[in-house]
Amino acid sequence: NAGVTQTPKFRILKIGQSMTLQCTQDMNHNYMYWYRQDPGMGLKLIYYSVGAGITDKGEVPNGYNVSRSTTEDFPLRLELAAPSQTSVYFCASWLGNEQFFGPGTRLTVL
Amino acid sequence: QKEVEQNSGPLSVPEGAIASLNCTYSDRGSQSFFWYRQYSGKSPELIMFIYSNGDKEDGRFTAQLNKASQYVSLLIRDSQPSDSATYLCAVNSGAQKLVFGQGTRLTINP
Repeated sequence: NAGVTQTPKFRILKIGQSMTLQCTQDMNHNYMYWYRQDPGMGLKLIYYSVGAGITDKGEVPNGYNVSRSTTEDFPLRLELAAPSQTSVYFCASWLGNEQFFGPGTRLTVL
Repeated sequence: QKEVEQNSGPLSVPEGAIASLNCTYSDRGSQSFFWYRQYSGKSPELIMFIYSNGDKEDGRFTAQLNKASQYVSLLIRDSQPSDSATYLCAVNSGAQKLVFGQGTRLTINP
């Protein structure tokens, strides 16, 4: 199993551009999550999903959108990127007592 | 707003000593608690979870939970340089959504 994979690893965006961060898991987990982590801080929940076709907002959803058309994929869409969205983005899935994290995407908005 | 508080450190401990990491949480109804370790530039990895009051031991790590005081701690015995990392406390806020503290940066000095 590859676990949770994320692409791209790094990205630089200009203000106002849009992009999609990809997340895929091959463990057949129903629960999936998107977090952002600002320097020296903990993780903040952006959106989560309890299964295909079901998504809900987390703590900091403004400026983001998600979809969950399959169990495996949970892409995060940034519309009209702003400098405040400069962060490291982690995707995760959940099974049992553990969240499994992807390697992260480092995004810079200039 | 459910909150999780940690001392951001840095916490410096000599090799072989006990490192003690502390965390408080605001939601008295929280049921499950997690400690993650995060190396610089990497994704968080689960060290331990705890549900019941008291101590839970796993190798050199002991998690302690006191629900009356809303307090969780992590003890690392016989600290090694490889334990140098940021330690994140997280609380399950429902639907397997985790609320993270800001993390404590731990340095083990040889």
